[in-house]
Amino acid sequence: GQNIDQPTEMTATEGAIVQINCTYQTSGFNGLFWYQQHAGEAPTFLSYNVLDGLEEKGRFSSFLSRSKGYSYLLLKELQMKDSASYLCAVRSPDSGYSTLTFGKGTMLLVSP
Amino acid sequence: KAGVTQTPRYLIKTRGQQVTLSCSPISGHRSVSWYQQTPGQGLQFLFEYFSETQRNKGNFPGRFSGRQFSNSRSEMNVSTLELGDSALYLCASSSPRGDTGRAQYFGPGTRLLVL
Repeated sequence: GQNIDQPTEMTATEGAIVQINCTYQTSGFNGLFWYQQHAGEAPTFLSYNVLDGLEEKGRFSSFLSRSKGYSYLLLKELQMKDSASYLCAVRSPDSGYSTLTFGKGTMLLVSP
Repeated sequence: KAGVTQTPRYLIKTRGQQVTLSCSPISGHRSVSWYQQTPGQGLQFLFEYFSETQRNKGNFPGRFSGRQFSNSRSEMNVSTLELGDSALYLCASSSPRGDTGRAQYFGPGTRLLVL
């Protein structure tokens, strides 16, 4: 089976840095993805990691440790518009060519 | 490039009815996947189509079915609707090319309410 865990909710202040963690247990691994989903909208792709290490993309960075089954999404210089749900998703050989298994998401609330 | 489009955006049906949802992928994307999203279960995979063939299927009853056409457009059908089928149905397309690991790009979804 496959299991992906993330915190349910997090709060942070505008301008701060926040780290959203994700742990996974899957039979095999073909990549880890982070998505952002604003209320009432579709998920939008943020980042992709398949090798260990940090991938940086503007204010957002994502880290992966395959040996620990662990990833985090780092958001810097938080803005009010970053208030959203952040979804961690894993692709494994068992899940098929393109299929992703999603965590239940972390709701981030950014306050002034 | 235009994004993934889905129609209709909203639907209200009653128990026992059936519904068909439509999805047009990003131009050039041949893989189309469908997901169901509910507050309690999160995003759950329904099925994936590639070149008109179902390549993978999630753990949903046979009332949920889909197909893909030669132009990569896809439809999913839910028969004998139940109250628990009320959800946001998301379609996503992906491309084998590029450095995004075949990331899936989602459409706006169809919000289905079953009364």
